[in-house]
Amino acid sequence: RKEVEQDPGPFNVPEGATVAFNCTYSNSASQSFFWYRQDCRKEPKLLMSVYSSGNEDGRFTAQLNRASQYISLLIRDSKLSDSATYLCVVNPWMDSSYKLIFGSGTRLLVRP
Amino acid sequence: SAVISQKPSRDICQRGTSLTIQCQVDSQVTMMFWYRQQPGQSLTLIATANQGSEATYESGFVIDKFPISRPNLTFSTLTVSNMSPEDSSIYLCSARRGQGAETQYFGPGTRLLVL
Repeated sequence: RKEVEQDPGPFNVPEGATVAFNCTYSNSASQSFFWYRQDCRKEPKLLMSVYSSGNEDGRFTAQLNRASQYISLLIRDSKLSDSATYLCVVNPWMDSSYKLIFGSGTRLLVRP
Repeated sequence: SAVISQKPSRDICQRGTSLTIQCQVDSQVTMMFWYRQQPGQSLTLIATANQGSEATYESGFVIDKFPISRPNLTFSTLTVSNMSPEDSSIYLCSARRGQGAETQYFGPGTRLLVL
């Protein structure tokens, strides 16, 4: 089983749609969770951290369910510029506080 | 945010040769890392580059194949040795300014094709 699993997509949605991505992680001791965005042929960039209480940044909402080892990202009112690959990232445990484990990514295509 | 540059941005190499990739950060950082992203795959950590000492390698990666240097707080190199077509990948340098992963940034990557 992969340490971080994501639905690869692609998700093909019209502008203005709401889309949700899911991610599961295998290590219950994982400490920190993130969503990164990677545009085609570019490096990944941090989109947002994911907090236990859930957090929102504009049109983006992240949720964490530790009991189910599940992370989600919700994008409301999709824009064409949201088209990218979204990477679920987990920081496993305190002893390896430097290490980031990346999911394989979910590709989003927003069409006009 | 930290600005990270890599050289070369891309290269095409013959099997059996070696390529050294350079990574320069615009300011001092606490940690530097090298990742690999194979075609259609996500990022995998190769090693943590330690200043003035040997790098710390992840499972499946060894120093003889991927020697790494980090002579100071802003510069690191990764060498891909005795290349084979399986080494064709994007190699990304990453740096962390503080303790938390929120302070970690990635370079633009080096696209390597081995024939």
